[in-house]
Amino acid sequence: AQSVTQLGSHVSVSEGALVLLRCNYSSSVPPYLFWYVQYPNQGLQLLLKYTTGATLVKGINGFEAEFKKSETSFHLTKPSAHMSDAAEYFCAVSDSFSGGYNKLIFGAGTRLAVHP
Amino acid sequence: NAGVTQTPKFRVLKTGQSMTLLCAQDMNHEYMYWYRQDPGMGLRLIHYSVGEGTTAKGEVPDGYNVSRLKKQNFLLGLESAAPSQTSVYFCASSYDRLLAETYEQYFGPGTRLTVT
Repeated sequence: AQSVTQLGSHVSVSEGALVLLRCNYSSSVPPYLFWYVQYPNQGLQLLLKYTTGATLVKGINGFEAEFKKSETSFHLTKPSAHMSDAAEYFCAVSDSFSGGYNKLIFGAGTRLAVHP
Repeated sequence: NAGVTQTPKFRVLKTGQSMTLLCAQDMNHEYMYWYRQDPGMGLRLIHYSVGEGTTAKGEVPDGYNVSRLKKQNFLLGLESAAPSQTSVYFCASSYDRLLAETYEQYFGPGTRLTVT
């Protein structure tokens, strides 16, 4: 069965500092990988996704992630944190991909705090 | 487009009461999903549907029933609510057959349910 591990349930950075949120997955087949962001009292919004092709994926709000097959990782980064980045971030891997249906397996989430 | 909408936003139930959560999407998506979100556990799939009139069990289906009588609507029912069902419930949809888009799931804003 596929699984997702997000290292660190809480991460705190200073405004302007590098953001690094870690995600490792287990999968027996080439995975489709996603990062979602959840702002307080809102639903989940897609930040970026890896399906095929280039392993460095750029998303919205200056975030990017790199798929490293050898390390089974898909870490999320942003060079300079902004106060508005404070949110909860979820990594997800697709479990099955038949006819377009993708059942997502989510990590437990990482809450990012940004301090002035 | 409104995207994915959920009704109600908040609800308090007493143990043993029943209720139905409504999810609607206006993106002509084939697939719809119900998740629950609990602290430290990410999102877990309750039930899903790959088309009108079809439903299937997800990871945590016990105590819930679903129906998809119309393509745009996906209902989640609790026949006899229990305190363990206190959670935030998210509906999602994916896959426009005409666009053949790349399987992103779009989420609703959530329903916060408390069972006392």
